[in-house]
Amino acid sequence: QVQLQESGPGLVKPSQTLSLTCTVSGGSITSGAYYWSWIRQHPGKGLQWIGYIYYSGSAYYNSSLKSRVAISVDTSKNQFSLKLTSVTAADTALYYCARDLASAMVSSFDIWGQGTMVIVSS
Amino acid sequence: SSELTQDPAVSVALGQTVRITCQGDTLRSFYASWYQQKPGQAPVLVIFAKNNRPSGIPDRFSGSSSGNTASLTITGAQAEDEADYYCNSRDSSGGGVFGGGTKVTVL
Repeated sequence: QVQLQESGPGLVKPSQTLSLTCTVSGGSITSGAYYWSWIRQHPGKGLQWIGYIYYSGSAYYNSSLKSRVAISVDTSKNQFSLKLTSVTAADTALYYCARDLASAMVSSFDIWGQGTMVIVSS
Repeated sequence: SSELTQDPAVSVALGQTVRITCQGDTLRSFYASWYQQKPGQAPVLVIFAKNNRPSGIPDRFSGSSSGNTASLTITGAQAEDEADYYCNSRDSSGGGVFGGGTKVTVL
């Protein structure tokens, strides 16, 4: 049973970089069948796709965040990571990592982490 | 950027049928998936690729699509189906996009 677990600081100062890691257990991140994704949810709001990475290192980002976001993968640790630079209060959200089917025709997140709340505040 | 539009809220009487819709141009080219999110929990995939249910999802959940609109139907809604529901699909750039969510209340 594949499981995902987010980790990282829950508090980040404005203008600094938010860094989160997602650890994949029960399966290999090098499975070619999936994209490894980050999604966030602002308090009381809907879901926002941030981006994904393939095990090869190819990454895709939400155009509205593209200038500030980077997703990387460490296959030796079975982890992938999110970095979001120059954060503001608007980046305060619950951040999820999730597994997405690697299909050009379908986006479907079948496994999610429990989410980690990140607050941007001085 | 691509957008998916959902009605903010719908209600359904216990045991009745409710349809939740999701509209967007991307749905003309890509399949929709649907997620159920209960308070304090991560979303759960209930329908993928238009009308496929993951293991463990009751068959009262079904999906359909026509033109630029995808639908999630709950046939015989149960109290435990009260939740927020989100649609998502691929977009033309290869990324992902979510709808704004629909709050379903079971009366």
